[in-house]
Amino acid sequence: DQQVKQNSPSLSVQEGRISILNCDYTNSMFDYFLWYKKYPAEGPTFLISISSIKDKNEDGRFTVFLNKSAKHLSLHIVPSQPGDSAVYFCAASKGTSGSRLTFGEGTQLTVNP
Amino acid sequence: NAGVTQTPKFQVLKTGQSMTLQCAQDMNHEYMSWYRQDPGMGLRLIHYSVGAGITDQGEVPNGYNVSRSTTEDFPLRLLSAAPSQTSVYFCASSYLGSCSCTGELFFGEGSRLTVL
Repeated sequence: DQQVKQNSPSLSVQEGRISILNCDYTNSMFDYFLWYKKYPAEGPTFLISISSIKDKNEDGRFTVFLNKSAKHLSLHIVPSQPGDSAVYFCAASKGTSGSRLTFGEGTQLTVNP
Repeated sequence: NAGVTQTPKFQVLKTGQSMTLQCAQDMNHEYMSWYRQDPGMGLRLIHYSVGAGITDQGEVPNGYNVSRSTTEDFPLRLLSAAPSQTSVYFCASSYLGSCSCTGELFFGEGSRLTVL
């Protein structure tokens, strides 16, 4: 029972263009959502988060959009840079305490120069 | 600042052997957890702890044991290793309760385990 799903295993974009990574969830109890970025041979690192009381959160080149009615969130990276090439994990939790995150499968983003 | 430290980084075991993956954090986080990462399956929660002396099971606890005797340490024990436990293991920690933080988990660098 995959409660958080990232349907695209990989995404390839040109440098300078927009990258859009998608995530769907099934558990309506989730009220806090996070994106993590992972480089090879490293642990995931926190990128950006959004509470269910918002529909958008922006941090520099990164914006997360939340559509609660569709149980869908997306991460936009504008403009994309080669250093953004990594695996991106979507995660969800009940509450903002940081505990018991449920992760999606991950999407490998490749930004081509 | 060390953050979350995991040892060893690499380990090869034979089926039936036991071993312990060590995890230590120096951020005074109440919450600690272990995840495993497998291709196409993301990160799955094995066990977690909300404080010293308190542990609970996650999604995939079978074959693993944990204890939390101090705030800083959260070792993961494989009781009798099986090839299905070949994976990359991540320890993660965070604050609990209300705070002005983003609530994110801080991860270690991972431990790659191969069971032959």
